[in-house]
Amino acid sequence: QSALTQPRSVSGSPGQSVTISCTGTDSDVVIYTYVSWYQQYPGKAPKVMIFDVTKRPSGVPDRFSGSKSGNTASLTISGLQAEDEADYYCCSYTGRYTDVAFGGGTKLTVL
Amino acid sequence: QVQLVQSGAEVKKPGASVQVSCKTSGYTFNGYYIYWVRQAPGQGLEWMGWINPNSGGTNYAQKFQGRVTMTRDTSISTAYMGLSRLRSDDTAVYYCARISGYNSFDYWGQGTLVTVSS
Repeated sequence: QSALTQPRSVSGSPGQSVTISCTGTDSDVVIYTYVSWYQQYPGKAPKVMIFDVTKRPSGVPDRFSGSKSGNTASLTISGLQAEDEADYYCCSYTGRYTDVAFGGGTKLTVL
Repeated sequence: QVQLVQSGAEVKKPGASVQVSCKTSGYTFNGYYIYWVRQAPGQGLEWMGWINPNSGGTNYAQKFQGRVTMTRDTSISTAYMGLSRLRSDDTAVYYCARISGYNSFDYWGQGTLVTVSS
């Protein structure tokens, strides 16, 4: 059982926006601004899309954005494209001697 | 450019041990912790632990303590993850990843499939 809770699946049509939630606890998401999001295609290594809750690495489209409210972090993808269809994982620093915890993953389907 | 290149796939019998290597290049090896993350077939990502290449210090997830050993060889900028007393549920793809800051795994190895089967 993952420490962070994500919906198993979300879907949207091209051009629409989708939001993936990541619910944590007072030990992680609530108190730290160290949440990251990863995109993973089948058979490939994950790729960081968002870090420190809202920051986007160089090269990641600005269609991807992150936010946090209380114990829930969110990844929003606007202007959905077919290539966005992938698995997405959230990750939070937990503060216990630099431990991290991952969410269970969300499969995004572009209809 | 930054690269993390892992060793090849392994097939092991239950009870055996495995060691996966992660050879890094393109950056100062001592400057970034290396984390190990595994992914069982059809499952999510699971943090196993990390090593500080500078000091050799390690921290392991409680689930793996006693079975996992993370080491490094600074002379060849390579990190290693060893897992002992393998079970069938250790079958997974094992990734090494460089962490930047507190929470950004900015570079990943390509993954190493370890299959545990009798």
